[in-house]
Amino acid sequence: ETGVTQTPRHLVMGMTNKKSLKCEQHLGHNAMYWYKQSAKKPLELMFVYNFKEQTENNSVPSRFSPECPNSSHLFLHLHTLQPEDSALYLCASSQDGSGNTIYFGEGSWLTVV
Amino acid sequence: QKEVEQNSGPLSVPEGAIASLNCTYSDRGSQSFFWYRQYSGKSPELIMFIYSNGDKEDGRFTAQLNKASQYVSLLIRDSQPSDSATYLCAVARGNKLTFGTGTQLKVEL
Repeated sequence: ETGVTQTPRHLVMGMTNKKSLKCEQHLGHNAMYWYKQSAKKPLELMFVYNFKEQTENNSVPSRFSPECPNSSHLFLHLHTLQPEDSALYLCASSQDGSGNTIYFGEGSWLTVV
Repeated sequence: QKEVEQNSGPLSVPEGAIASLNCTYSDRGSQSFFWYRQYSGKSPELIMFIYSNGDKEDGRFTAQLNKASQYVSLLIRDSQPSDSATYLCAVARGNKLTFGTGTQLKVEL
């Protein structure tokens, strides 16, 4: 139990579906992150929110839309995804966005069919 | 050149031996260095972090940092089968954290 909770843990969606991934952290941190992990590739940073403000968008396609209503919650809205978007999506948090230690959630396994 | 480079392995060591995992990085301005362990099907969990040149020990784990040579390593003493996992090296500069692809470690009975 890392203090970062992700739901759902597994998701299968069609290319025309709209779904959302949810992340909640109970660590009192101010920065939250979305990472994508594909087989044989390094973890890819997607988005960073620091004190609810988006500070990084790593050239992520618009079919991925993040939302951070407060410092404890982070969403990733998914729309018209492609099969190559199938991956493990990891949420993480840290004290702030200045390169401190980050703590990961358990991840959401996404399969796009 | 990859920003953070690790040998993908697998690295096989017998139980009780010392496992040595290495990582090199390209950005000389990197400030913080992390080792994460990831079991198959699970998320990464922090093992150690190191900021200064030299060694940092925590139980069976020792992180070593050499900024001049731009490498960071992780030693696991008395390796156990439960140490079998992928070990991710991560390097931070400012608010940018970059991961390597990880080294798979197998500890054999």
